[in-house]
Amino acid sequence: GNSVTQMEGPVTLSEEAFLTINCTYTATGYPSLFWYVQYPGEGLQLLLKATKADDKGSNKGFEATYRKETTSFHLEKGSVQVSDSAVYFCALSDRDYKLSFGAGTTVTVRA
Amino acid sequence: DADVTQTPRNRITKTGKRIMLECSQTKGHDRMYWYRQDPGLGLRLIYYSFDVKDINKGEISDGYSVSRQAQAKFSLSLESAIPNQTALYFCATRAGINTDTQYFGPGTRLTVL
Repeated sequence: GNSVTQMEGPVTLSEEAFLTINCTYTATGYPSLFWYVQYPGEGLQLLLKATKADDKGSNKGFEATYRKETTSFHLEKGSVQVSDSAVYFCALSDRDYKLSFGAGTTVTVRA
Repeated sequence: DADVTQTPRNRITKTGKRIMLECSQTKGHDRMYWYRQDPGLGLRLIYYSFDVKDINKGEISDGYSVSRQAQAKFSLSLESAIPNQTALYFCATRAGINTDTQYFGPGTRLTVL
């Protein structure tokens, strides 16, 4: 079956530091890949997505590239802010559009 | 106003009680989903519905039931709550064929004592 593995947290960074959250997946076929973000006390919001190999998703300074050869979709941001503190989820969508999520990575950015 | 709303936002109940969590959406989407979130496990799919007459089990449906009362409403019930159903529950919607983005409600925090 489909599965998503993402790096365990929590991750604590200083403002303006570089952030990477690793995500790898196992799936049949060619799934779409997503990063969702959950701010404290809120539901999940779509951060970015990529639908085919070599696509790069980007939003709010975050980027992730769909790497079919390494089955990865790592999230990166060059300079984080305190407002980026949240839980980040990697996910994939199967042919029936059902989402499979990773465990989530808690990121805390200190001023 | 939020596009996907959930009620209640917080609920504490006792073992054996029947509980209903409600989800409403104004997005006009056909597809609706119920997930539970547990620390270290991410979100897991409980049930999903493609329209009022189409209900499907997800990966962890045991102990839960759902009702799709209308296109805009999708309720999750715990017939006899147990402590390991303590979790954060999310409702989500999706527009339809060939669109893969889901939109989430704010969540319901359920505690079963």
